[in-house]
Amino acid sequence: QVQLLQSGAEVKKPGASVKVSCEASGYSFTSSDYYIHWVRQTPGLGLEWMGWIRPKTGGTNFAPRFLDRVTMTRDTSINTAYMDLRRLTSDDTAIYYCARADGRDGFDIWGHGKMVTVS
Amino acid sequence: DIQMTQSPSSLSASVGDRVTITCRASQNIRNYLHWYQQKPGQAPKLLINSASTLQSGVSSRVTGSGSGTDFTLTISSLQPEDFATYFCQQSYGTPYTFGQGTKLEIK
Repeated sequence: QVQLLQSGAEVKKPGASVKVSCEASGYSFTSSDYYIHWVRQTPGLGLEWMGWIRPKTGGTNFAPRFLDRVTMTRDTSINTAYMDLRRLTSDDTAIYYCARADGRDGFDIWGHGKMVTVS
Repeated sequence: DIQMTQSPSSLSASVGDRVTITCRASQNIRNYLHWYQQKPGQAPKLLINSASTLQSGVSSRVTGSGSGTDFTLTISSLQPEDFATYFCQQSYGTPYTFGQGTKLEIK
């Protein structure tokens, strides 16, 4: 079945970077035109959209508040998308989800989430 | 950014009840509005796509309506598995934004 698999939890020091992976399976990562979005969740701010990557082209679109410290890439040979967040602070402690969407449709498939703790 | 305001923030109801959750956008978002259900320890699950399209596999007790700025999610004949937190989300413009959530609890 269609799945997005994310790597396990991590603890990072303030100022460090984290790279979160999202492996797609059960559908064509590049032949279809599903976008991979990154959404994080914190108790204080709820769900925050961080941006998307279009696996077919590598094109990206980021939320302004993350623009200067986020990178999104993909490796089409292993059907995996990545989100790299730099200069971490305690405010970045969150569950990071990848999710799939067709154009501007809702996110129909979600990864199980990766807990990132900055401490 | 487009602000999404959900109400109520929490709601108590009984099995068999009918409940309605509203979501208001700070500007016209046409029908680019989606509803999710989230249970503790799980990722959100898409229930309603584009304001009113029931996602495959979701119970027909769930309906969505609205367009423009005002939207509703209605769940009829509540079942135990419906007690969860519900979010709306707009995809009219980036940055995409979510409502703050409505926690549906058993009375």
